[in-house]
Amino acid sequence: GQQVMQIPQYQHVQEGEDFTTYCNSSTTLSNIQWYKQRPGGHPVFLIQLVKSGEVKKQKRLTFQFGEAKKNSSLHITATQTTDVGTYFCAKGAGSYQLTFGKGTKLSVIP
Amino acid sequence: KAGVTQTPRYLIKTRGQQVTLSCSPISGHRSVSWYQQTPGQGLQFLFEYFSETQRNKGNFPGRFSGRQFSNSRSEMNVSTLELGDSALYLCASSPGPRRETQYFGPGTRLLVL
Repeated sequence: GQQVMQIPQYQHVQEGEDFTTYCNSSTTLSNIQWYKQRPGGHPVFLIQLVKSGEVKKQKRLTFQFGEAKKNSSLHITATQTTDVGTYFCAKGAGSYQLTFGKGTKLSVIP
Repeated sequence: KAGVTQTPRYLIKTRGQQVTLSCSPISGHRSVSWYQQTPGQGLQFLFEYFSETQRNKGNFPGRFSGRQFSNSRSEMNVSTLELGDSALYLCASSPGPRRETQYFGPGTRLLVL
């Protein structure tokens, strides 16, 4: 099926460093969603991006949707231990099936 | 509003058995989706229901089935369990016919021995 590729698979950062995860698709996306899953928890919706070149911010988190709507990124500024978890992108909103990337597992070293 | 609830939270079964998992969506939500999460395959879509109708099905064998009731509660069933069915099964609800935000439940962790 049509996949969304997410990189990196793992990222270890020192507390206070920045973190970025990337999501790429071979086809144009109608929109993309981002979720966070804490260890032992369930995915929690963060944001949905719809427009080409869209940039949205949530406190220290910045989400971008590429101009060609084939890629997206999530950037966290000055990571904290509360940012630990796995970040997923998902495509397919508006259709009847969400396809998730494999996720980026973020570890923050205090 | 109460969140999505799933029962049971943990389950141990043996190969060949069958299992039924339950999901109660957020009040007012009519769309329910099911996902299987494993370390190797990640989050994989199983099926989605809206108003008691299955609208889409993922690439899983026929041993995996589901249904939705008139109150939007949903169940999924796995028959003839295999070791590889061990996973976290997540249910997610959303308000309407279009897929907006997915609100996930805590999941049912199934272990097949």
